[in-house]
Amino acid sequence: AQKITQTQPGMFVQEKEAVTLDCTYDTSDQSYGLFWYKQPSSGEMIFLIYQGSYDEQNATEGRYSLNFQKARKSANLVISASQLGDSAMYFCAMRELGKAAGNKLTFGGGTRVLVKP
Amino acid sequence: EADIYQTPRYLVIGTGKKITLECSQTMGHDKMYWYQQDPGMELHLIHYSYGVNSTEKGDLSSESTVSRIRTEHFPLTLESARPSHTSQYLCASSEGIVPYEQYFGPGTRLTVT
Repeated sequence: AQKITQTQPGMFVQEKEAVTLDCTYDTSDQSYGLFWYKQPSSGEMIFLIYQGSYDEQNATEGRYSLNFQKARKSANLVISASQLGDSAMYFCAMRELGKAAGNKLTFGGGTRVLVKP
Repeated sequence: EADIYQTPRYLVIGTGKKITLECSQTMGHDKMYWYQQDPGMELHLIHYSYGVNSTEKGDLSSESTVSRIRTEHFPLTLESARPSHTSQYLCASSEGIVPYEQYFGPGTRLTVT
């Protein structure tokens, strides 16, 4: 069974600084996908970034980058130049592959980020 | 921009009532999902569907049921609501190409008194 672990329940970060959110995963699959989602207090889930297990380069999307270390089974999210609007819960997730799996996602417990002005 | 809708956004209802949470998407996605999430906690998959007339239970046992009669519609029903059902319910759909990103609706916050 797949498992996602986010060890940081909460973090403070100063506005304009960078922050790294940890995510480790456990899977026996060779091919998988890793996602990061943001959940503001309003409750919706916002897709941020994706990394495929065979992607050689770390994914980047604007201020978001994913530090993918396959051998260590980690997929940390880096948010650069933090903004007040980045205050939210952040979830790491892994996609199961295969028709039977239905492209299901397994989520970690989340990290709450609070950006201080 | 994802086109997936959930109604109602908030619902307060008494114990024993039957409720249906609506979820619709206009993207033509075959795969749809229901997640349950307690405040500040992780999401747990309770139901998913590969397509019309196909539904499966998720990893978290739930007393709710779902149906998928039309591609765009994936309602969730609780026959008899209980206080233990108080939670947020998030609906999602998935495109059929890599990376199979899931698009989420705004959620329904259910409170059973």
